[in-house]
Amino acid sequence: EVLLVESGGGLVKPGGSLRLSCAASGFTFSNAWMSWVRQTPGKGLEWVGRIKTKTDSETADYTAPVKGRFIISRDDSKNTLNLQMNSLKNEDTAVYYCITDPASGLDYWGQGTLVTVSS
Amino acid sequence: DIRMTQSPSSLSASIGDRVTITCQASQDINDSVNWYQQKPRKAPKLLIYAASHLEPGVPSRFSGTGSGTDFTFTISSLQPEDIATYYCLHYDYFPYSFGQGTKLEIK
Repeated sequence: EVLLVESGGGLVKPGGSLRLSCAASGFTFSNAWMSWVRQTPGKGLEWVGRIKTKTDSETADYTAPVKGRFIISRDDSKNTLNLQMNSLKNEDTAVYYCITDPASGLDYWGQGTLVTVSS
Repeated sequence: DIRMTQSPSSLSASIGDRVTITCQASQDINDSVNWYQQKPRKAPKLLIYAASHLEPGVPSRFSGTGSGTDFTFTISSLQPEDIATYYCLHYDYFPYSFGQGTKLEIK
């Protein structure tokens, strides 16, 4: 059974940083492209970014609002996906999900972790 | 970037009704559309992938059609457990984008 468990969410001040992690099990993590998606009540679901496999050079792509501030990485030895979020803004407040990202689009989702950016 | 226009934003229907939701893409995206169901305080769940393929384990009352720019999601006979919000997603190339969601309620 595929299991994705996010952690690291919490309250952070504007301009601060936070690192989210996603522990993966039940599939061969090193072979999987992975994505992050966030959800806010006002803006719905927003794709944040994606990281490819080591075979595909671990290339990461990002949506424009987070490019240059967020960094997606992976540790295949620990079956872990990471999202380093810097220079956080109020509008980054959301529930963040990690998701497997095969050729047929996003499929398995974690339960999400809440990030609140507020002074 | 591709914009996915989903309609309606909300829908009220009776048990047993046929329910249809549409998504229109701002550009041709082949069949690269998925449909998700989200219940309160839960993560979205994949129902349909590649526009028309039913995810294993998903009831056959759910279906999807379309290609290019116009996509349709249908529940053939609404059940009480189908009350949720439904989203379309395009994944033809990045950035992926979601429709705004359709909140389905019982009449």
